[in-house]
Amino acid sequence: GQNIDQPTEMTATEGAIVQINCTYQTSGFNGLFWYQQHAGEAPTFLSYNVLDGLEEKGRFSSFLSRSKGYSYLLLKELQMKDSASYLCAVRVLPGGATNKLIFGTGTLLAVQP
Amino acid sequence: DGGITQSPKYLFRKEGQNVTLSCEQNLNHDAMYWYRQDPGQGLRLIYYSQIVNDFQKGDIAEGYSVSREKKESFPLTVTSAQKNPTAFYLCASRARDTLMNTEAFFGQGTRLTVV
Repeated sequence: GQNIDQPTEMTATEGAIVQINCTYQTSGFNGLFWYQQHAGEAPTFLSYNVLDGLEEKGRFSSFLSRSKGYSYLLLKELQMKDSASYLCAVRVLPGGATNKLIFGTGTLLAVQP
Repeated sequence: DGGITQSPKYLFRKEGQNVTLSCEQNLNHDAMYWYRQDPGQGLRLIYYSQIVNDFQKGDIAEGYSVSREKKESFPLTVTSAQKNPTAFYLCASRARDTLMNTEAFFGQGTRLTVV
């Protein structure tokens, strides 16, 4: 089966750094995505990893290790507006040419003053 | 402006009634998806479609139906057979896969409440 695990909740302080982990056990791995979702709104794309290593994009970085089935999202210089859910999603190939995006349950991050 | 539009934003349904949620995109994307989101459970895949006139069941398809008669449109019908339909429904679209990054773009969601 397909399984993606993330911590349910995290708390961090404004201006600090926080790392949100994601582990996965899936078949036909074809890329990992991170999305940000504010309450009641649509998820918005943050980052994409398909090869091992670190991808940096401003205050956000994402890391992938395919051999370990592990990724993390790193948020630097935290701001109050970063309080949101962060969703890890894995693209899989379920036996054909069709791709599926499988989401984890999301990590609710609360940034405190 | 290109984008993906869901309507309505809020929808109330009486028990035993079917209801259809609209999803339209003008991004020229081949792939479209429907997800359901419940508190504490993340996004769960209901149906997805890679091309016109073709779609596949996701992980929780029971009680739902879809159609893909046009590339731009992927409506979701919540039938009376769906036992617990109250949820936040998200539609997404994505360009045809290549080796490059092709992230999914989401609509603003429809919150369905059964009364």
